[in-house]
Amino acid sequence: QSVVTQPLSVSGTPGQKVTISCSGSSSNIGGNTVSWYQNLPGAAPKLVILVNDQRASGVPDRFSGFKSGASASLVISGLQSEDEAIYYCATWDDSLTATVFGGGTRVTVL
Amino acid sequence: QVQLVQSGAEVKKPGASVKVSCKASGYLFTGYYIYWVRQAPGQGLEWVGRINTNTGATNYAQRFQGRITVTRDTSLNIVYMDLERLTSDDTAYYFCARGQAPAAYDFWGQGTLVSVSS
Repeated sequence: QSVVTQPLSVSGTPGQKVTISCSGSSSNIGGNTVSWYQNLPGAAPKLVILVNDQRASGVPDRFSGFKSGASASLVISGLQSEDEAIYYCATWDDSLTATVFGGGTRVTVL
Repeated sequence: QVQLVQSGAEVKKPGASVKVSCKASGYLFTGYYIYWVRQAPGQGLEWVGRINTNTGATNYAQRFQGRITVTRDTSLNIVYMDLERLTSDDTAYYFCARGQAPAAYDFWGQGTLVSVSS
């Protein structure tokens, strides 16, 4: 059980907006930056959001990151079929002295 | 260009040890931490540990404390992850990654499958 929690799945039709939440506490998200990863089967994770709201290099602008207090979210606007993947949030935890990943959210394009 | 190239797949018996290497190129090796993340088949991402490639200082996830050692060779730009007393629960892909921030890993190795089976 991860110390940061994500919904198991979200879905949307092409062109829709989907939001993935990531909830933590003051020892992790509340006091540190949040990154987001896209994980496709058989591939290494790909960094999507570098820190909080900064997109990683080459990432389309339909991906946006937000952070407020001890929660963060990844928004995919204008959902496309190639966005189908599992997305993970990640942050440093001061109590654990470790990076923690959320459990992952599967995005399905209907 | 930045590249992280890992050693090949390993098959081990329970109780054995495994050493996975990660060779970095295309950037200043000592300017970035290297992190290790693992992913068991069909499971999520799990943080394993990290090394400050400049000083050699390490941090490990609590569940690996006492049976993991991460080292680096700055002359070869290689980081090694040594995991001891393997069990079937350690079967996973092990990835090394370059860290821009404690949770922001911008370049990843291709992954090394470690299979533990009797």
